[in-house]
Amino acid sequence: EVQLLESGGDLVQPGGSLRLSCVASGFIFNNCAMSWVRQAPGKGLEWVSGISGGGDITTYADSVKGRFTISRDNSKTTLYLQMNSLRAEDTAVYFCAKDPGYSGYDFYFDQWGQGTLATVSS
Amino acid sequence: QSVLTQPPSVSAAPGQKVTISCFGSSSNIGNNYVSWYQQFPGTAPRLLIYDNNKRPSGIPDRFSGSKSHTSATLDITGLQTGDEADYYCGTWDSSLSVGSFGGGTKLTVL
Repeated sequence: EVQLLESGGDLVQPGGSLRLSCVASGFIFNNCAMSWVRQAPGKGLEWVSGISGGGDITTYADSVKGRFTISRDNSKTTLYLQMNSLRAEDTAVYFCAKDPGYSGYDFYFDQWGQGTLATVSS
Repeated sequence: QSVLTQPPSVSAAPGQKVTISCFGSSSNIGNNYVSWYQQFPGTAPRLLIYDNNKRPSGIPDRFSGSKSHTSATLDITGLQTGDEADYYCGTWDSSLSVGSFGGGTKLTVL
């Protein structure tokens, strides 16, 4: 059974940092691209960032480019999102999502975690 | 503001059919596969359709997808009250090198 378990969400002040983690199990992790998708309270889905199975390709939404860094440790089957210079508009539930393809360009997600809430507020 | 446009809401009676549209451009829908997701409040999205018209195992054939040029549609037939949810389309944008979701459509089964 595929499982994706996110953690790391917290309350942080504007300008602060958070690191989100997503531990994966039940599939061959390094064969699959992964993404972070967020959802602000009462809003729709927003793709944040993606990474290929080997970690050699990373992509970012313009809204987070230069502030967020996606990475993965295939030996630990874990996906990360380092979030710096956080803003109030980054407040959202952050989902990690599995893409069955290696590169991520097919862009579809067959498994999702339950999400972790990051709140940016003073 | 998403590059993919969906109607904010649609509604239909139980047993009827509803169509949810997703409009994009040549750089996204026009040249890439489209996927569709269903989301109930407080839960993670669920994949309904991938590669424009393929259903993952376990998704009823009441759900179908299609694509034409720069738009895509999700059809749901034999509507049930349990289908009330938010629905999102998604695709890659080759020009912007980013992924995109539509703004979401709230389905009400009257």
